[in-house]
Amino acid sequence: TQLLEQSPQFLSIQEGENLTVYCNSSSVFSSLQWYRQEPGEGPVLLVTVVTGGEVKKLKRLTFQFGDARKDSSLHITAAQPGDTGLYLCADGTGGGADGLTFGKGTHLIIQP
Amino acid sequence: DVKVTQSSRYLVKRTGEKVFLECVQDMDHENMFWYRQDPGLGLRLIYFSYDVKMKEKGDIPEGYSVSREKKERFSLILESASTNQTSMYLCASSFGLGGTQYFGPGTRLLVL
Repeated sequence: TQLLEQSPQFLSIQEGENLTVYCNSSSVFSSLQWYRQEPGEGPVLLVTVVTGGEVKKLKRLTFQFGDARKDSSLHITAAQPGDTGLYLCADGTGGGADGLTFGKGTHLIIQP
Repeated sequence: DVKVTQSSRYLVKRTGEKVFLECVQDMDHENMFWYRQDPGLGLRLIYFSYDVKMKEKGDIPEGYSVSREKKERFSLILESASTNQTSMYLCASSFGLGGTQYFGPGTRLLVL
């Protein structure tokens, strides 16, 4: 089973600051998904990246997939309190057997 | 939009009780999943199902069973609830095993 390491585990910053969180693996991802989970809710898909070196933007969120497809980052510009949540990365490489493998997530708090 | 619903948002049960958690999805997905989510441990897969009446054990199946009699419904059963089963339970569905998972809002179960 592929292990996903997410860092940092916790991050608390002020509104308006920029931040980056990371997702790393010792193995190659076939594809990588990023989810956000708000308190008291289930995770919701933000984006899927497939191609090495791929960059996707979702408003103030920028997702990068490493060239070797073993790492990914999520950068948030001018963070807002609504960005608060648990950010999870998930890998579908082993999906033939058991679906997605999730990282433990980054808990992000944006303070007004 | 895909909708995944779970029968209860909050549930309080006593040790030894039989507990049923139900999940319904409306997008005709073949695959359905049950996870539990605990602080510091992330999302852990309990069971999944890739077709009606088919089920596969995930990473932590002990103490749980599942039922999938209809495509849209996947039930998680705690035969004899124990305090260490206090957790947040999340149901998800997907079209492909490595594809996007759509989550329900979760059931927060407290076993006293």
